[in-house]
Amino acid sequence: GNSVTQMEGPVTLSEEAFLTINCTYTATGYPSLFWYVQYPGEGLQLLLKATKADDKGSNKGFEATYRKETTSFHLEKGSVQVSDSAVYFCALSSTGGFKTIFGAGTRLFVKA
Amino acid sequence: DADVTQTPRNRITKTGKRIMLECSQTKGHDRMYWYRQDPGLGLQLIYYSFDVKDINKGEISDGYSVSRQAQAKFSLSLESAIPNQTALYFCATSDTGADQPQHFGDGTRLSIL
Repeated sequence: GNSVTQMEGPVTLSEEAFLTINCTYTATGYPSLFWYVQYPGEGLQLLLKATKADDKGSNKGFEATYRKETTSFHLEKGSVQVSDSAVYFCALSSTGGFKTIFGAGTRLFVKA
Repeated sequence: DADVTQTPRNRITKTGKRIMLECSQTKGHDRMYWYRQDPGLGLQLIYYSFDVKDINKGEISDGYSVSRQAQAKFSLSLESAIPNQTALYFCATSDTGADQPQHFGDGTRLSIL
C-alpha cells in the first residue's frame, strides 16, 4: 500500500541555517505530493505541493522537488527563521484521489 | 472567519460519556474528513465523506460514528468514551481530485478521564 516516511525529529537549528527535511514515499501510479505545516494550537495548513515528476513546489522560501526516480520529496529552505518553528508533514494523495497519506511529522525548533 | 470551524476547541469528560464533536465549513467542498492526531503518530483517518449520502470508514473507525447533516456539516461521535481516545481531533475538507489539498480546522483537544 501507499506510505510516506519522513525523518524523525526534533530538528534544532540556529536562525539563518539551511534546512532539509527528508521525505520518501511508496505509491503506485503517479501520486500528488504535499508538505503541510502545523503551528502550535492550529490545524495543518498547506505549505506547497507538486503534482507530477520534476515539478518544484515553493512557498515562503520553502522548496521541494518531486523526484520519481528516488521516490522523494525533500523539503528545503535556505535560511530559517524563528517563526518557522513548527511541525512539518509530508503527504501523498493517490491518483484514485480518495485518501491522503500523512507522514509522522517532523518538529523543527529554530533558535535565535 | 475560519473556513473550517470545529467545536468545542477543548473538552474534558469522563469514561463512558457520549461526546459529539462538530465541524462546519464555508469552503463549499463536498469532501470532509475526521482525523485523530497522537504525538509521534501523524494523522490517522477515522471517517470520510464524499457527499451527504456517502460515508466511509477510515483506518481507526472502531468506537466512533459520524453524521453528515449537510454539505457543510460533519459531526463525529464517541458513543462511550474511553481514556485511550484522548487525543487531538481534526476535521478537514477538500475539493475533488488527487491534486487538491486538504483544509483543516484548528482541532478539538479531547481528554477522557
